[in-house]
Amino acid sequence: QLQLQESGPGLVKPSETLSLTCIVSGGSISSNSDYWGWIRQPPGKELEWIGSIYYSGSTYYNPSLKSRVIISVDRSKNQFFLQLSSVTAADTAIYFCARHFLSAADGEWFDPWGQGTLVTVSS
Amino acid sequence: SSELTQDPAVSVALGQTVRITCQGDSLTTYYASWYQQRPGQAPLLVIYGKNKRPSRIPARFSGSSSGNTASLAITGAQAEDEADYYCNSRDSSGNHLVFGGGTKLTVL
Repeated sequence: QLQLQESGPGLVKPSETLSLTCIVSGGSISSNSDYWGWIRQPPGKELEWIGSIYYSGSTYYNPSLKSRVIISVDRSKNQFFLQLSSVTAADTAIYFCARHFLSAADGEWFDPWGQGTLVTVSS
Repeated sequence: SSELTQDPAVSVALGQTVRITCQGDSLTTYYASWYQQRPGQAPLLVIYGKNKRPSRIPARFSGSSSGNTASLAITGAQAEDEADYYCNSRDSSGNHLVFGGGTKLTVL
């Protein structure tokens, strides 16, 4: 059973870079049909897609965050990563990683999701 | 504001049927996926594609689409269905993903 787990610092200072890891277990990150995505949710607010990466390394990002985001993958470790630079209090959120499945017949969806990790931006 | 519009809140009597909608121009081209999020939990996929359910999701959940509106229906709502529900699809450019603002479902 595929499982994802986010890890990283829970507190980041303003103007610094937020760095998170998603550990994938129970399956390979190198599956041909899968992208791997990051989604965030400010406390009490809606979900926001940050970006997704294919195992080969190709990426696409939310245009509103694109200038500050880098998503990368390490196939040997079955992990993928999120870096968000120049953070402000507005980046305080629960950050989720998820498998991003694409299908020509059925569109795309996120499943499963990690449990999420709260990152607070504060000095 | 999101390119996918959802009603902020909907209520349903226990055992009755409720429909949660998601509107957006991109839905004339792309399928929506739907997620249930209970307080303090990660979102859970309930519907994707043209009305497909993961095996763990009860059959009372179904999806449909007409024009620029996607709908999630719960037939015979249960107390445990009380949650926030989010739709997700492509934006109007088709190049990126967006989530709806979410609908808080209350089961009375």
